[in-house]
Amino acid sequence: KQEVTQIPAALSVPEGENLVLNCSFTDSAIYNLQWFRQDPGKGLTSLLLIQSSQREQTSGRLNASLDKSSGRSTLYIAASQPGDSATYLCASLSGGYNKLIFGAGTRLAVHP
Amino acid sequence: EPEVTQTPSHQVTQMGQEVILRCVPISNHLYFYWYRQILGQKVEFLVSFYNNEISEKSEIFDDQFSVERPDGSNFTLKIRSTKLEDSAMYFCASTTGTGVTETQYFGPGTRLLVL
Repeated sequence: KQEVTQIPAALSVPEGENLVLNCSFTDSAIYNLQWFRQDPGKGLTSLLLIQSSQREQTSGRLNASLDKSSGRSTLYIAASQPGDSATYLCASLSGGYNKLIFGAGTRLAVHP
Repeated sequence: EPEVTQTPSHQVTQMGQEVILRCVPISNHLYFYWYRQILGQKVEFLVSFYNNEISEKSEIFDDQFSVERPDGSNFTLKIRSTKLEDSAMYFCASTTGTGVTETQYFGPGTRLLVL
């Protein structure tokens, strides 16, 4: 059974810092790994999707990497801004095409 | 940009009552999902739905839950007799297909409180 873990659970950084969020998964037989952003009381916004055959994906200041053999993915945020403050969730599509298995998230606070 | 919508945004109900949560997926999407997130916990998969039938369901999705696509636009989750532990945020999601490149698009959620 796939288990997805995210560390740290919470992170507080000053504006402008580069930061790395970590995601690990127990079953390397994944189809893809997705990163989402969740603002308080809101839905999930897709940020990046990395297929199992890919090593990384980039979108603006965000870069996500995937290492299936070690069961890890990282989300790199460059030059963080207060507007980046949110909870970041990773999720694996595995076991079946239908369902995402989520980690508990990293709650990020970027202060001016 | 097309988006998934959900109604109501908040619902308060008494234990034992039936509730129906509504979702309007993105119009050209074919696969539909419900997830839930109990306060402070992970987002959990409940059920997936395609071609008017359930594709997969989790252990959480017992006989108290049902899903339906009553017309060409709505997708509903019914809880027949709510329990205190059903209190959670319920998210609907949709996607065009189930390939490895498909992103699931999530709605804003319905916060259900069972008293």
